[in-house]
Amino acid sequence: EDQVTQSPEALRLQEGESSSLNCSYTVSGLRGLFWYRQDPGKGPEFLFTLYSAGEEKEKERLKATLTKKESFLHITAPKPEDSATYLCAVLTGANSKLTFGKGITLSVRP
Amino acid sequence: DAGVIQSPRHEVTEMGQEVTLRCKPISGHNSLFWYRQTMMRGLELLIYFNNNVPIDDSGMPEDRFSAKMPNASFSTLKIQPSEPRDSAVYFCASSETGQETQYFGPGTRLLVL
Repeated sequence: EDQVTQSPEALRLQEGESSSLNCSYTVSGLRGLFWYRQDPGKGPEFLFTLYSAGEEKEKERLKATLTKKESFLHITAPKPEDSATYLCAVLTGANSKLTFGKGITLSVRP
Repeated sequence: DAGVIQSPRHEVTEMGQEVTLRCKPISGHNSLFWYRQTMMRGLELLIYFNNNVPIDDSGMPEDRFSAKMPNASFSTLKIQPSEPRDSAVYFCASSETGQETQYFGPGTRLLVL
């Protein structure tokens, strides 16, 4: 069974304090790894898809990286508006089923 | 584009009552997914459809849950009878055929008393 573990569960940063969120996975045959952002009371919002080890993608202050066992979401000089829950999910097998981690709640203090 | 539309946004009901959640996927998207999110279990896939056909319903908790997709622009998730442990946020998502990125709706927050 595919397993996705995100750590830490919660992270509090000061504005401008860079850090990384971890997503480790145990799957058979990774087809893609997805990062989503979820604000309170809203649905997950797509951020990135990574397909192979060594791949990196960037968007504003966020950069996602992928290895054979884990993915990192690096946040550079975060701002309070980056506060949200960040979810990662893996796509495996022949179907379109995503398996999500439980998410990391990020709080950035001004 | 209007994005994925879900209704109602909030539902409060009493144990034993029937609950129907509705979803309109993004126009042109051929796959539709129903998820449930709780603090304990996170985001879990209940069922998904491709071209209106159910493909995988292994996440549906029990026979009290059923889902239909009568056409490409509408799907329902029904719980009958509802129980307090069904309280959660239910999300609908859709994706284009051949594209694996799923786009989520705003969710329906269900409380069963």
